[in-house]
Amino acid sequence: DGGITQSPKYLFRKEGQNVTLSCEQNLNHDAMYWYRQDPGQGLRLIYYSQIVNDFQKGDIAEGYSVSREKKESFPLTVTSAQKNPTAFYLCASSRSDRGHRNTEAFFGQGTRLTVV
Amino acid sequence: AQSVTQLDSHVSVSEGTPVLLRCNYSSSYSPSLFWYVQHPNKGLQLLLKYTSAATLVKGINGFEAEFKKSETSFHLTKPSAHMSDAAEYFCVVDNYGQNFVFGPGTRLSVLP
Repeated sequence: DGGITQSPKYLFRKEGQNVTLSCEQNLNHDAMYWYRQDPGQGLRLIYYSQIVNDFQKGDIAEGYSVSREKKESFPLTVTSAQKNPTAFYLCASSRSDRGHRNTEAFFGQGTRLTVV
Repeated sequence: AQSVTQLDSHVSVSEGTPVLLRCNYSSSYSPSLFWYVQHPNKGLQLLLKYTSAATLVKGINGFEAEFKKSETSFHLTKPSAHMSDAAEYFCVVDNYGQNFVFGPGTRLSVLP
């Protein structure tokens, strides 16, 4: 089945540690995205990538890093510089004409990160 | 950048009555627009999308939305609510082909 797989589903981090969230897609989509969701808020864009080996900061990139070495993978690292990392993280992908309209985004099931 | 406003943070309806979830967007052109639904602790599922074809768009589970350029609106409706419709709903706009901008969400409660 085609889709997006996020792992792990739940993740606990001690303060001061870096953690990496995995996102893999087998939809052959060029574009991938990371969003953060906090209670009572919409989704806020962390990073996005329109093509392999290229990515751009979103609205709340501080304290996060990404890589896009393969088309199907877009891991997100939450660094110790992120002051309030406890949140629900969603990865998505879409076909993209880059600069034109996007088709719809397909989402993974999310990773809930908790700082302990 | 584009922006999206969802006018109600919470809507409560009785089972079997109509649903209206409101969405307005800000854009310098006619963008692609989407409605997604999210059940607790789950990812997002696409309900329907508008991509410059017909202005009345039908989606899954009996939902539909009408694109009104003059009002910059894309309201979501359903004739008869079901208990399983209780969830969070997001209106989303395509941001010039670069990424997607989300509204803050509307929580729909369905009362028996």
